[in-house]
Amino acid sequence: DAGITQSPRHKVTETGTPVTLRCHQTENHRYMYWYRQDPGHGLRLIHYSYGVKDTDKGEVSDGYSVSRSKTEDFLLTLESATSSQTSVYFCAIGREEHEQYFGPGTRLTVT
Amino acid sequence: GQQLNQSPQSMFIQEGEDVSMNCTSSSIFNTWLWYKQDPGEGPVLLIALYKAGELTSNGRLTAQFGITRKDSFLNISASIPSDVGIYFCAGQKNAGNNRKLIWGLGTSLAVNP
Repeated sequence: DAGITQSPRHKVTETGTPVTLRCHQTENHRYMYWYRQDPGHGLRLIHYSYGVKDTDKGEVSDGYSVSRSKTEDFLLTLESATSSQTSVYFCAIGREEHEQYFGPGTRLTVT
Repeated sequence: GQQLNQSPQSMFIQEGEDVSMNCTSSSIFNTWLWYKQDPGEGPVLLIALYKAGELTSNGRLTAQFGITRKDSFLNISASIPSDVGIYFCAGQKNAGNNRKLIWGLGTSLAVNP
């Protein structure tokens, strides 16, 4: 158990609505990541954080923003959800060396 | 974005058989990681490799960091039904602080009991 929770676990929302996904860790790790997983594309990095208020873009950051006001929480926001953002979203924490440990995921459907 | 070349894409084997899969790149990597993902769950780290030529085992799983630093291999011996899932390789090639990983697309393993 990596001490990572994600909420909500499932969400259905309509196109154009804002959505915020939460990742919470209990282990005080500096590095946190948001990925999306889609068939045929594997895991793709959206944004990551290397400390409180320190974030940077990944390879598929368009349409997403993040915030990290506390070490334990990393929030992913879709400002105006689109159908192309229907996906499974995973949060991960970075531990020793370059090892990443994943949360259980959030399944998001945008209708 | 860059991805690792992971093969085979899928495998269907009989219980008890050994399994081999690999991950290659045109670039040199400093770290290789192998993950397994069960349906509906997040990837779970199986083995981490940090040194060229390193061979590491975790139960029936054995992984190797290729001597050229451009590839890695995962072997599963005497497969059992619970080995079913998707196996991902991931690598890290930068010495910087971002700790971003580059991922393969996965090998889907099915085991016939």
